[in-house]
Amino acid sequence: QLQLQESGPGLVKPSETLSLTCTVSGGSISSSSYYWGWIRQPPGKGLEWIGSFYYSGSTYYNPSLKSRVTISVDTSKNHFSLKVSSVTAADTSVYYCARHTNAYYFDYWGQGTLVTVSS
Amino acid sequence: DIQMTQSPSSLSASVGDRVSITCRASQGISNSLVWYQQKPGKAPKFLLYGASRLESGVPSRFSGSGSGTDYTLTISSLLPEDFATYYCQQYYSTPPTFGGGTKVEIK
Repeated sequence: QLQLQESGPGLVKPSETLSLTCTVSGGSISSSSYYWGWIRQPPGKGLEWIGSFYYSGSTYYNPSLKSRVTISVDTSKNHFSLKVSSVTAADTSVYYCARHTNAYYFDYWGQGTLVTVSS
Repeated sequence: DIQMTQSPSSLSASVGDRVSITCRASQGISNSLVWYQQKPGKAPKFLLYGASRLESGVPSRFSGSGSGTDYTLTISSLLPEDFATYYCQQYYSTPPTFGGGTKVEIK
C-alpha cells in the first residue's frame, strides 16, 4: 500500500525559507509511471498546486509560485522535498504531497502538515 | 490558468437525498476533470476522473457527468459518511486548478 508522509517544521518566520520533506513507502519515486507533487491549502480555503517532479529529473512549477519554489529529490531515501523562500503569512497552509501520472490528477495523498508563518 | 467555479459553495441536505454539485471551467476542458471528497482534518480523497469514471472502490451512488465547460457530481442517495467538502479539479492544462469547494452539510 502506497503511503506518503510529510515532515518538517510547523512554524516558520516571515522572510525565511519553508522546508518540507515527503517520504514515500510502498512504492518508488523512481518509477517511470508517476510524478510526485506538492499541493497546499490555506486554513478554511481551497487547494493550490505548487509543483511536481518526474523521475527523469524534470520539475514543473506553478507560475504563481515559481520564483520562490524548489523541489528536489533524494532517490536513495525515496523522498522528495519542497522549499519555499521568502515566506509571508499568505504561505500559511496545510501542505500535502501527492502522486499523479502525466495526467495531473492526484490519486494518493499524504496526510498533510500545517505550516504557520509567524514571528 | 483555467478558472474552475463550483456551485453552490455549500448546501444542506438530509440522509437519502439526491445531491448535485456543479463545476464550470473558464474554457473547454474535454472531460479532463476529477472530483475529490475532503473531510475535516483529512487529505482529499480521489473519487472520479475523466469527468465520469469512478475510481476503484468508490461507491456507485457517486456519479459524474458533463462536457465542454460544465460538469456535475451527483450523489444519488446521501449517506452519513458523505457529508464533506467536494472539490473539482481540471487537468486539461497546467497548472492544474481546483474549484473553490462545495460543503455538503446535514440539514
